[in-house]
Amino acid sequence: DAKTTQPTSMDCAEGRAANLPCNHSTISGNEYVYWYRQIHSQGPQYIIHGLKNNETNEMASLIITEDRKSSTLILPHATLRDTAVYYCIVRDNNAGNMLTFGGGTRLMVKP
Amino acid sequence: DSGVTQTPKHLITATGQRVTLRCSPRSGDLSVYWYQQSLDQGLQFLIQYYNGEERAKGNILERFSAQQFPDLHSELNLSSLELGDSALYFCASSPWGGNSPLHFGNGTRLTVT
Repeated sequence: DAKTTQPTSMDCAEGRAANLPCNHSTISGNEYVYWYRQIHSQGPQYIIHGLKNNETNEMASLIITEDRKSSTLILPHATLRDTAVYYCIVRDNNAGNMLTFGGGTRLMVKP
Repeated sequence: DSGVTQTPKHLITATGQRVTLRCSPRSGDLSVYWYQQSLDQGLQFLIQYYNGEERAKGNILERFSAQQFPDLHSELNLSSLELGDSALYFCASSPWGGNSPLHFGNGTRLTVT
């Protein structure tokens, strides 16, 4: 699976949009981009995933560049409860593979 | 609630002992994954089962083993425990194949004293 690069940490003001970037320049054509988050020591929580089109659900939006070498997770109105470590993962879905977690981005939402 | 159930939530035991962690996957999911998260390390993939068969192996120690039963629940057995085995152990499940995401349980916190 392709590797990803994320900033180690980011701050965001409560009520503002949080934009979390991820670079995956070696992504291949059959690899999807997944985003998870882990709040304190809870289990990783699935947020969203996509292949090449932008995706939106009740939690977030995922913007993938046309060349697919990077993506941005957008939390439209961050709250204090969104403080967590956010993981961007690329995964080859041809074989039902596991997820390989990197270091993620520690997002701190501040009042 | 992810639908993945892990028991027990907490486990405290002594070095040299053996423990069993249990995972019930989401209804309909055939694949189960085990991960370890230590304080100084990220989430490390241990092992994956699909419909009772071992599918993939990660950084799992020989002292650790797992199995998936006909009802699809899975157990992770940790033996000859060492202080360094203290960690959070997460189970995840997914349907087989395609792009369905993994869903994680809330883990078992193991403390070895």
